[in-house]
Amino acid sequence: AQSVAQPEDQVNVAEGNPLTVKCTYSVSGNPYLFWYVQYPNRGLQFLLKYITGDNLVKGSYGFEAEFNKSQTSFHLKKPSALVSDSALYFCAVRVNTGGFKTIFGAGTRLFVKA
Amino acid sequence: GAGVSQSPSNKVTEKGKDVELRCDPISGHTALYWYRQRLGQGLEFLIYFQGNSAPDKSGLPSDRFSAERTGESVSTLTIQRTQQEDSAVYLCASSPGDIWETQYFGPGTRLLVL
Repeated sequence: AQSVAQPEDQVNVAEGNPLTVKCTYSVSGNPYLFWYVQYPNRGLQFLLKYITGDNLVKGSYGFEAEFNKSQTSFHLKKPSALVSDSALYFCAVRVNTGGFKTIFGAGTRLFVKA
Repeated sequence: GAGVSQSPSNKVTEKGKDVELRCDPISGHTALYWYRQRLGQGLEFLIYFQGNSAPDKSGLPSDRFSAERTGESVSTLTIQRTQQEDSAVYLCASSPGDIWETQYFGPGTRLLVL
């Protein structure tokens, strides 16, 4: 079955430290992968996507994600976390189920402590 | 330009009543999604409209749930005979409908069934 998984419900990091939010996927064919962020009391926002090309994708707010085909992963990273990065992060993958649609992971809550 | 809008922003209803939620997508976006997000949980796909194609209703949890879309404009999600477990935030997203599928989310409708 085509799916996307976020193995961590919550990630805690100290401000200034690097952060990683993990995502793995299972799709048939070439994957189209996305990260979205949901800040407290705000709507979901697109962060970045991988379609093809360079495995390292740069997105908004200093975030980047690395596509790893052999590990079927698309982990979200940031070199230096900010308290304002605290939010709910969703990984998503476009799948073909007789038509295209995007499915989302369960989400990972990121807490950045000052 | 205007983003995705949803109304009402909040809805409180009694168990057994019907509710109708509205989504106005970004003008020109051919794809429209409905999702449900229960408190503290991830996104649950409900239904997907793409242009004039038959909608993908595979995520609707029961026959109490239905959705319509008029052409490539407004969509309504109807929940009949609401139950307490229907309480959630209902999110609408639209997309240009290209294969890259970046989705733009509305602020959501928070539904509380008493």
